[in-house]
Amino acid sequence: QVQLQQWGAGLLKPSETLSLTCGVNGGSFSGYYWSWIRQPPGKGLEWIGEINHSGSTNYNPSLKSRVTVSVDTSKNQFSLKVKSVTAADTAVYYCARVTTVTLNYYYFYYMDVWGLGTTVTVSS
Amino acid sequence: EIVMTQSPATLSVSPGERATLSCRASESISINLGWYQQKPGQAPSLLIYGASTRASGVPVRFSGNGSGTEFALTISSLQSEDFAIYYCHQYNKWPRTFGQGTKVEIK
Repeated sequence: QVQLQQWGAGLLKPSETLSLTCGVNGGSFSGYYWSWIRQPPGKGLEWIGEINHSGSTNYNPSLKSRVTVSVDTSKNQFSLKVKSVTAADTAVYYCARVTTVTLNYYYFYYMDVWGLGTTVTVSS
Repeated sequence: EIVMTQSPATLSVSPGERATLSCRASESISINLGWYQQKPGQAPSLLIYGASTRASGVPVRFSGNGSGTEFALTISSLQSEDFAIYYCHQYNKWPRTFGQGTKVEIK
């Protein structure tokens, strides 16, 4: 059964770079997209971006200028970097596997495996 | 971007009762919609995709319907483990977006 293990620094100062990594254990890395989602304290979910095994990415335009998602297929890992962080970037960051299926002219896309989340706090 | 609006913000329901949660998209998204459940301190978990297809292992008391801009998630008989926050999610266009969530609480 696939599990996602995520890690990275939890406390940052303003203007620093957030860096998180998500490791994929027990399953295939190719054939999926791998996504990052965040959740500010007490608030809802925000999609950050995604990448597939060949490095094709999609980003949320609201964050695109500061965000980079990368992949290391040799380690079955993918990473998130957010530069120039502010207090507004304080959130729980989740990594997730994205499964896509095309069936009978319909396209299905869903995040079916999630990491446990990493709390990132930005404070001076 | 497509704005997803969920209602109500909070739904108070007694165990065993039926709960219906609504989600509206700011433009047509066909059936490109999923539902996620999140319990306190946990990551979200997938319930429904394609507006009405239950994910593997999801109990049959959860059902989804709708297309275009109007969607609903129904829990036919609420169990204690169903009290949580529910999010709808559109994948018709990038950026993917979520609704703000509906909290289902014990009445």
